Amino acid sequence: KAGVTQTPRYLIKTRGQQVTLSCSPISGHRSVSWYQQTPGQGLQFLFEYFSETQRNKGNFPGRFSGRQFSNSRSEMNVSTLELGDSALYLCASSLLKSQETQYFGPGTRLLVL
Amino acid sequence: DAKTTQPTSMDCAEGRAANLPCNHSTISGNEYVYWYRQIHSQGPQYIIHGLKNNETNEMASLIITEDRKSSTLILPHATLRDTAVYYCIVRDFGNEKLTFGTGTRLTIIP
Repeated sequence: KAGVTQTPRYLIKTRGQQVTLSCSPISGHRSVSWYQQTPGQGLQFLFEYFSETQRNKGNFPGRFSGRQFSNSRSEMNVSTLELGDSALYLCASSLLKSQETQYFGPGTRLLVL
Repeated sequence: DAKTTQPTSMDCAEGRAANLPCNHSTISGNEYVYWYRQIHSQGPQYIIHGLKNNETNEMASLIITEDRKSSTLILPHATLRDTAVYYCIVRDFGNEKLTFGTGTRLTIIP
């Protein structure tokens, strides 16, 4: 069974631009969570989607948004990019809403110049 | 979610057992202990989890103390590929959010 896939793997943007990252969960998984990893803050939870609904949200500004499609694929969007948004963005999927184990993708490394 | 405390770094000789401790003294009765590891610049990899009883799988063993205030992850025969940052996380069942700490950087020495 294929793992979690994320596209693109690497991305370079400039301040003020917006970016959309994509995540395809493991087949059959319905919950998708997003995390941001930076050297200074470590791994931080962004939000979680299940059945196309945002169920949980971390402490990030409104510039960070996401959505989930009927096939469970998810996208996250960051608008008005700032230098501090440079990070590894990780997506994780799990089978059900309360499934215990999350499986992570390889991440998208975003560099904001 | 309860907080965890882990040593910043550890070394282990190749072929020996690596024992990674984790303190979670404020863990509540419905919180699980999870372990993930992250090899440089890759996504975190799930290793094992448990609630009360000791657990074992093909990757590792998890020993949880009777009072559940601490646990130990055991990699029975460490290889160079086990060099990674290991995260101990306590998580409420049903809560999808994982709260990562700073983890333990484990270095396997040839």
